[in-house]
Amino acid sequence: DTGVSQDPRHKITKRGQNVTFRCDPISEHNRLYWYRQTLGQGPEFLTYFQNEAQLEKSRLLSDRFSAERPKGSFSTLEIQRTEQGDSAMYLCASSLGNPGQGARGQPQHFGDGTRLSIL
Amino acid sequence: GDSVTQMEGPVTLSEEAFLTINCTYTATGYPSLFWYVQYPGEGLQLLLKATKADDKGSNKGFEATYRKETTSFHLEKGSVQVSDSAVYFCALSKTSYDKVIFGPGTSLSVIP
Repeated sequence: DTGVSQDPRHKITKRGQNVTFRCDPISEHNRLYWYRQTLGQGPEFLTYFQNEAQLEKSRLLSDRFSAERPKGSFSTLEIQRTEQGDSAMYLCASSLGNPGQGARGQPQHFGDGTRLSIL
Repeated sequence: GDSVTQMEGPVTLSEEAFLTINCTYTATGYPSLFWYVQYPGEGLQLLLKATKADDKGSNKGFEATYRKETTSFHLEKGSVQVSDSAVYFCALSKTSYDKVIFGPGTSLSVIP
């Protein structure tokens, strides 16, 4: 079990630039989640994939944000035209679950996150 | 909407002291409840969970009981250690795909 891997660990960029983060979930996990965590707060849900299908997006995910999971394995989260308010830790999590299993599926495993700093 | 509230920190305790971190939730239906822990410099880890009323989750000496009548899931440990210093997040999940809603976190420092 190699765990959930996120790359890069840290990203510093100037306001207005585009950034892309990558998440590699645990290999057999079909569910993948993105969360955002700002300093002193708990993580907030951004979006969710079941295999390659993106099934929910939070209202926090503005049109500058896009997430993909093209082959149902790794996922990318892109932020276009970054703003100061985008500075946060971006967390990826994965789990194994089946449709109709309800909220009783396997627990989510989190990566260490990508810390984004906007200058 | 659904939400989680937990006691504000930081909490500072001496080693071997008793720990309680209060957590209450607002949600319709019957959510699953969780405690996650984030040690310094590390990612989030699931500490314990309970999926129905009156269930008790336990792990590493920590316990929490799902109380539907008071919508609470308080975290307790009888004797804390320095290694328990971390941020603790209470959380719930109720959707068919386990989207997790987190509380703001409570920072715990245990001093020798």
